[in-house]
Order: sequence, then structure tokens, then C-alpha cells
Amino acid sequence: DSGVTQTPKHLITATGQRVTLRCSPRSGDLSVYWYQQSLDQGLQFLIHYYNGEERAKGNILERFSAQQFPDLHSELNLSSLELGDSALYFCASSPQEGTSGLPNEQFFGPGTRLTVL
Amino acid sequence: AQTVTQSQPEMSVQEAETVTLSCTYDTSESDYYLFWYKQPPSRQMILVIRQEAYKQQNATENRFSVNFQKAAKSFSLKISDSQLGDAAMYFCAYRSANAGGTSYGKLTFGQGTILTVHP
Repeated sequence: DSGVTQTPKHLITATGQRVTLRCSPRSGDLSVYWYQQSLDQGLQFLIHYYNGEERAKGNILERFSAQQFPDLHSELNLSSLELGDSALYFCASSPQEGTSGLPNEQFFGPGTRLTVL
Repeated sequence: AQTVTQSQPEMSVQEAETVTLSCTYDTSESDYYLFWYKQPPSRQMILVIRQEAYKQQNATENRFSVNFQKAAKSFSLKISDSQLGDAAMYFCAYRSANAGGTSYGKLTFGQGTILTVHP
């Protein structure tokens, strides 16, 4: 168990709908990352938040958005869903920058499997 | 942009034997981190080993070790005394050490290698 939690574990929805995926990082971790794993694209970085602020953006579609709240949990919002959005969405967290330990190691949650029908 | 290539879609090994998984990467940066992650059938991503590019010494973690060749941009994973529990998809990943970059924190993954362990 990495200490990162994601809800829900599974989500089945229809095209055109909107869903929200939730992530709680490990206790004390300030960074949250979102990744998408699909058969077509493999594992792709979507976005990185650090202490509530966006730090880096990957190939995230305009239909997707994310935020990190003051309690450090994060949500990934996916709207106008298409069949191709079906994938496993991972959240990962890492320790505060500049602290001892492994600030560059990312701890992954169990993922949310999204199926768009 | 950085790229990571794993040229072996599938590998197999006999239990107790040794296997090496290959990974090459392309970058213009001099300071970065490399990782091997394991993804078993549960789909959980588990960090196996990490290497800092500025370190010449190859990282080792119990039965897992790497052969890091910076000039050749190669980062292979050796699994010794393979066990049935090692069966999984293995991903090689790259992360820039440039904290000011626009891709800060981003892990760039290879396509993965499926490892089968035969009893």
C-alpha cells in the first residue's frame, strides 16, 4: 500500500458525460501528479500540482481539468467524455521539495478505471 | 522532448535464473533521474529502483540492479534469482532534474516489457 488513495476504483459512464476522479496523497506529500494509462497511448503524464498550484502540464485535453485543494487532495475532472477516454487514471504523490528522503520518488495510487460506453 | 524506448515487448525467464530488461532514452539534459517501475496484474505501480544521472555507481536493490551507461543513454534492469512474484509489466521512466522546467515532475515512460516467469 503506497498510502495514496483514489476513488472510485471503477467508473462506468456514457459518452458526453462528466466525471470527477478523486485523489488523496500520502500524509505530508505536497505534490500530486495525474497520469493516464491506455492501450493506445501507454502511460502519459497529464498534470502536476504542488501545494495547490499547477506546476507542469502534459498532454492534457482541454476537456480535462484538475485542481488541488487546501487539504492537498486533488480532483481530476473529465467532461464531454468520448470512447477514447476509457483508461486507467493514476494519481501519484511525492514528498515536499527540499526535504530529506526521496523528493523525486512518486508513489502511485491504485488507479481509477474509467469505462466510457 | 525526452523519449524512453523499451525494445522488448515481452521477455521470459525461468525461476531462479537472471534476466535483463533493456531501456534507452533520449535527452539533451545532463541531470536527470531514471526509474524502473513494476506493474503486476493488480495494476498497482510499484517503484523497483532509481538512479541519479550524476552518480556513476549503478543502483542496486536486493535482487534488482541496473546497468546505467550515461554516454550510451542506456538503463537496463537486471533481475537475479527470478521469482514467480516478479512476473509483471516493467516500465522504464525518465524524470528531469530541472526544477524550473515546464515539465517539472513529469515522468516519461517507455512502452513497457511484459516479464513472464516460468516455474
